Amino acid sequence: DQQVKQNSPSLSVQEGRISILNCDYTNSMFDYFLWYKKYPAEGPTFLISISSIKDKNEDGRFTVFLNKSAKHLSLHIVPSQPGDSAVYFCAASAIRGGADGLTFGKGTHLIIQP
Amino acid sequence: DAGVIQSPRHEVTEMGQEVTLRCKPISGHNSLFWYRQTMMRGLELLIYFNNNVPIDDSGMPEDRFSAKMPNASFSTLKIQPSEPRDSAVYFCASSHPSGGAHEQYFGPGTRLTVT
Repeated sequence: DQQVKQNSPSLSVQEGRISILNCDYTNSMFDYFLWYKKYPAEGPTFLISISSIKDKNEDGRFTVFLNKSAKHLSLHIVPSQPGDSAVYFCAASAIRGGADGLTFGKGTHLIIQP
Repeated sequence: DAGVIQSPRHEVTEMGQEVTLRCKPISGHNSLFWYRQTMMRGLELLIYFNNNVPIDDSGMPEDRFSAKMPNASFSTLKIQPSEPRDSAVYFCASSHPSGGAHEQYFGPGTRLTVT
């Protein structure tokens, strides 16, 4: 039973346009959400996060939106650049303020076309 | 800082052999996590430690898997005996509570192939 779902295995976007990656979760106990970026043969790299008390967090070209009632979050990248081509993982955690293992989605492969 | 260090980067072994994966967390981080990535199941948490103490090992698939953290700068994940279905990429990650405990920093992974 997948508690974090990324329903799009891949997404192709033109350079300069907006990339929107989606994630859904089922566990109401999740209170912290993260996005990781992964290049081949490397470990996941932390990108941006959001607490359940917020509905938006922005960091440069990256913005994460959280809709708690829909149990849905999205990552917006604008403008998209060739270096953004990677696999993006959505992750969730259930203990606020404490260390806990992350539950990951299966990832979305983002391809930025020149 | 050098980041999370994992060794070896690649391991090929025969079924039945013992495999030991190693991890050095980022200095000052007091939480350490072991994950496994496969095509079928994606990234799964196996076990994590806080202050060298195992907190949750419910993700460890079988008794063939064991993990230790003898000190704050070293952890091992052992598989004995190994089986072909253990073939995967194993990641180690660490975190520091004041940095936002949920933000974990991953090593490059160990790609394990069991033939």
